[in-house]
Amino acid sequence: EAGVTQFPSHSVIEKGQTVTLRCDPISGHDNLYWYRRVMGKEIKFLLHFVKESKQDESGMPNNRFLAERTGGTYSTLKVQPAELEDSGVYFCASSQAPGTTNEQFFGPGTRLTVL
Amino acid sequence: QKEVEQDPGPLSVPEGAIVSLNCTYSNSAFQYFMWYRQYSRKGPELLMYTYSSGNKEDGRFTAQVDKSSKYISLFIRDSQPSDSATYLCAMIDLHGSSNTGKLIFGQGTTLQVKP
Repeated sequence: EAGVTQFPSHSVIEKGQTVTLRCDPISGHDNLYWYRRVMGKEIKFLLHFVKESKQDESGMPNNRFLAERTGGTYSTLKVQPAELEDSGVYFCASSQAPGTTNEQFFGPGTRLTVL
Repeated sequence: QKEVEQDPGPLSVPEGAIVSLNCTYSNSAFQYFMWYRQYSRKGPELLMYTYSSGNKEDGRFTAQVDKSSKYISLFIRDSQPSDSATYLCAMIDLHGSSNTGKLIFGQGTTLQVKP
């Protein structure tokens, strides 16, 4: 069974440009999470989808970030316009159900560098 | 103040040593406590989880939770070079306002086990 996949693995863009990250969760997982790790900091929650609905977007830094999950399958996270402080590793995770012991399976992450 | 504190290390031990990794936390509402392992350029993978206080053992790994002290530990016995990775503690507040199962991570401790 394929795990969580993310594309691209690495993206280097200039400040002010737009970048779109993609996450394909494990098939059948209704719950999809986005997390981010900025250099030297802990991994932080960004938002949570249940199918196509945003359940919790309390971790989104600002309105330059837009996440979508049309059709409840894959998800995209767009950063527009990108700023230097957006650099970091963006992780996607999926689970069958939220909370409790339903394990969140993580993708390998997308390393974003904003110059 | 961070919700979860974890010494980033690095921690270097000889093969066969017992490793002790620890986290402290401030939110008494956390109920589930996880340990994730992350190899370089990979996403975190769940090692163990514990609900409330107590111990849990799985092979060479033992997780301990002391809710009275807000302190969790992961012990690795007979450490192997293949255990070299970053170990992240993570917690869930299931009764938070959003109840999404979002993970609150520590910064992660980098462990190197030398042959």
